[in-house]
Amino acid sequence: ETGVTQSPTHLIKTRGQQVTLRCSSQSGHNTVSWYQQALGQGPQFIFQYYREEENGRGNFPPRFSGLQFPNYSSELNVNALELDDSALYLCASSPLGGADEQYFGPGTRLTVT
Amino acid sequence: KQEVTQIPAALSVPEGENLVLNCSFTDSAIYNLQWFRQDPGKGLTSLLLIQSSQREQTSGRLNASLDKSSGRSTLYIAASQPGDSATYLCAVRGDYKLSFGAGTTVTVRA
Repeated sequence: ETGVTQSPTHLIKTRGQQVTLRCSSQSGHNTVSWYQQALGQGPQFIFQYYREEENGRGNFPPRFSGLQFPNYSSELNVNALELDDSALYLCASSPLGGADEQYFGPGTRLTVT
Repeated sequence: KQEVTQIPAALSVPEGENLVLNCSFTDSAIYNLQWFRQDPGKGLTSLLLIQSSQREQTSGRLNASLDKSSGRSTLYIAASQPGDSATYLCAVRGDYKLSFGAGTTVTVRA
């Protein structure tokens, strides 16, 4: 059974640029959630996708957007990057519309300069 | 809005000592609570999941309790080892998302 994978592992972007992060969910999981973790803090919920539809959203501006594909993989897009967007971005997948245990990927470390 | 607090923020113990990590939450309307381990710069590894109807869960040296009515959970790690050094996060699940505490960073000294 393949776990949750994310790409890229690290990336560096300049303020104002756009970035796309990718996540492949664990086999059999139809729900993907994205979290942002700033240094020294707990992860903050960005949004969740269930069967290709956004199922809930945290307190993040519209420049954070996402997609889920028919194979349940997902993308997180961030436009007009700001310095405060520098963080570890975590993807989690779960079965049953998110009702059960969530399994996290290794994360993508984004640095905005 | 769900607020999750973890005390202490950091903990240093000698090898062999038992660890007690605390988590409190403000809204008792939760579906479950998960404890995670995070190594520096890495993702989250799920340790234990407690459903809202359960009082505790055990896995090896780990035991987690849940008192939903008082908004508290405790993670016990027996006979700590240097390999247990990490940050431990608790998270409660509401309708569709996890709300996390800031974590307790544990150092086990050999």
